[in-house]
Amino acid sequence: EAQVTQNPRYLITVTGKKLTVTCSQNMNHEYMSWYRQDPGLGLRQIYYSMNVEVTDKGDVPEGYKVSRKEKRNFPLILESPSPNQTSLYFCASSQYNRGLDYGYTFGSGTRLTVV
Amino acid sequence: RKEVEQDPGPFNVPEGATVAFNCTYSNSASQSFFWYRQDCRKEPKLLMSVYSSGNEDGRFTAQLNRASQYISLLIRDSKLSDSATYLCVVNRSAGGGADGLTFGKGTHLIIQP
Repeated sequence: EAQVTQNPRYLITVTGKKLTVTCSQNMNHEYMSWYRQDPGLGLRQIYYSMNVEVTDKGDVPEGYKVSRKEKRNFPLILESPSPNQTSLYFCASSQYNRGLDYGYTFGSGTRLTVV
Repeated sequence: RKEVEQDPGPFNVPEGATVAFNCTYSNSASQSFFWYRQDCRKEPKLLMSVYSSGNEDGRFTAQLNRASQYISLLIRDSKLSDSATYLCVVNRSAGGGADGLTFGKGTHLIIQP
């Protein structure tokens, strides 16, 4: 089944403890992106990647890192999480043209709470 | 003007009714338009693309007005299962800066029995 898989689905952590949220897609998509969703603010792009070893900042990149060493994986790294990073996170991928033709396929989301 | 603007609602509509909502976008160079559906705490899912000529998929009709820079979604014979948040999505401008698609904050629709 074609899908985007995120792990974990739920995570509660403490301030300052490094964490990684994994994202993997099995559709051979070139374009991948991370979003966070907060009440009243909608989906905001954190980082995106056009292809392997090509990443760039979205609207709200502060406090996050990403890497794209393989086409299928696009992990989101929080080096020192803070409470304002408590949010619902979505990974998305698209076949080509940055989702402009056929939109994105989203993962099921990761609900992160930083205390 | 915000990139993509939608009325957040909620819209409370009786089952079987027809409901329509719009969204406006600020980037006149945008070429790609979509409606996504999002159920509570779940991932957004593509409902339909929006084409210049307008398009229909069953009970759903999407229209694009480039001159006025708005997109509409019409749902006929609404079902209880149509209750969800509907996200208007538009591509960003090409070139430097954030890329890909930008999402409206969504319109919350509640279909009542």
